[in-house]
Amino acid sequence: ELKVEQNPLFLSMQEGKNYTIYCNYSTTSDRLYWYRQDPGKSLESLFVLLSNGAVKQEGRLMASLDTKARLSTLHITAAVHDLSATYFCAVRNTGNQFYFGTGTSLTVIP
Amino acid sequence: NAGVTQTPKFQVLKTGQSMTLQCAQDMNHEYMSWYRQDPGMGLRLIHYSVGAGITDQGEVPNGYNVSRSTTEDFPLRLLSAAPSQTSVYFCASSPGGAGYGYTFGSGTRLTVV
Repeated sequence: ELKVEQNPLFLSMQEGKNYTIYCNYSTTSDRLYWYRQDPGKSLESLFVLLSNGAVKQEGRLMASLDTKARLSTLHITAAVHDLSATYFCAVRNTGNQFYFGTGTSLTVIP
Repeated sequence: NAGVTQTPKFQVLKTGQSMTLQCAQDMNHEYMSWYRQDPGMGLRLIHYSVGAGITDQGEVPNGYNVSRSTTEDFPLRLLSAAPSQTSVYFCASSPGGAGYGYTFGSGTRLTVV
């Protein structure tokens, strides 16, 4: 069974600082997805990464994928309060099932 | 375009009761899945479907049944509710291609007392 691990689980960072969330997975896959969830809300798609070395950027968020290391990162640049949310990575296996990490709860403080 | 619609949004059940969580999508997506979300455990796959008439079990299928008689609908049935099934349930759908992630419904918050 595919395992997906995220770290850290909780992240409190000051506005303006940079940080990286890590997503490791246990079996070969080149399909990695990042989602955002606001408290009490559903999940919103952020990035789709489909090949080794893929990099996607949207505003202050940048996601990358290293399929050889089975690692994806979500880098936050110059954090702002609006980025406070829980971020999930998900890996799609060959059977087209999505397996999610436990999530990283991000709080950006002034 | 409604996307993925889940009903109800909130439900309280007594132990042993049964109920059906409804999920419908209007995007003609092949793939549909049910997840449960519990604190500290992320989202866990309950059941999934790759098309009408085809369903399969995920990581935590016990106590749940599904069917997919049409492309649009994918209901989740709780056979005999238990307190361990207290959770937030999300239905999601996706087209077949790898370039697409899941589109999620708004969720159903279920409490079993």
